[in-house]
Amino acid sequence: DIQMTQSPSSLSASVGDRVTITCRASQSINSYLNWYQQKPGKAPKVLIYAASTLQSGVPSRFSGSGSGTDFTLTISSPQPEDFATYYCVQTYSTPFTFGPGTKVDIK
Amino acid sequence: QEQLVESGGGVVQPGRSLRLSCAASGFTFSSYAMHWVRQAPGKGLEWVAVISYDGNYKYYADSVKGRFTISRDDSKNTLYLQMNSLRPEDTAVYYCARESIGATRGGTYNWLDPWGQGTLVTVSS
Repeated sequence: DIQMTQSPSSLSASVGDRVTITCRASQSINSYLNWYQQKPGKAPKVLIYAASTLQSGVPSRFSGSGSGTDFTLTISSPQPEDFATYYCVQTYSTPFTFGPGTKVDIK
Repeated sequence: QEQLVESGGGVVQPGRSLRLSCAASGFTFSSYAMHWVRQAPGKGLEWVAVISYDGNYKYYADSVKGRFTISRDDSKNTLYLQMNSLRPEDTAVYYCARESIGATRGGTYNWLDPWGQGTLVTVSS
């Protein structure tokens, strides 16, 4: 199975700061990497698929990059509604595997 | 709109069984692979199982293999998860999700969207 790691596990940021979250796969997954946002009590919401393609309706302050084993999610200027937990997930092979998550809260 | 609605969760004793359902609407259910994903209280997301669009391919996480069975009834636009020999560590919110597929940058990629709202399964004596 492909193992996914994320860093940091948590971070504090101010509205308007630039936030960067990294995700690493234990083997190459091409660009089969998706990013999700989850708020307490809610289902995850897809932000980015195919490593860098913004899902329809997602604000352009979110962006993704990377391929192979190393990936990044960037929030260029976080807004109050962006404080949540973020997960990466590889869909290169089954079983799909999620990263452990990064909790982003307000400084 | 495209929607998934889970049901069937509840409190069950260890060793007992439970069947979850996921009703789909707003899209052609029979054209899509479907997944179950779970989240234990306060923990991260764990992928559980997948069934292909035609029901011929099924794959399970090692943690549930041999105990859980995924199935679908396209005539009812419904996905199921039969959970047997439940353990306390199976306590979680269970989500169903559709595997969406799209073409971008010369390749074909997949992601899970939409998701249902989740149904809570508690395994406790």
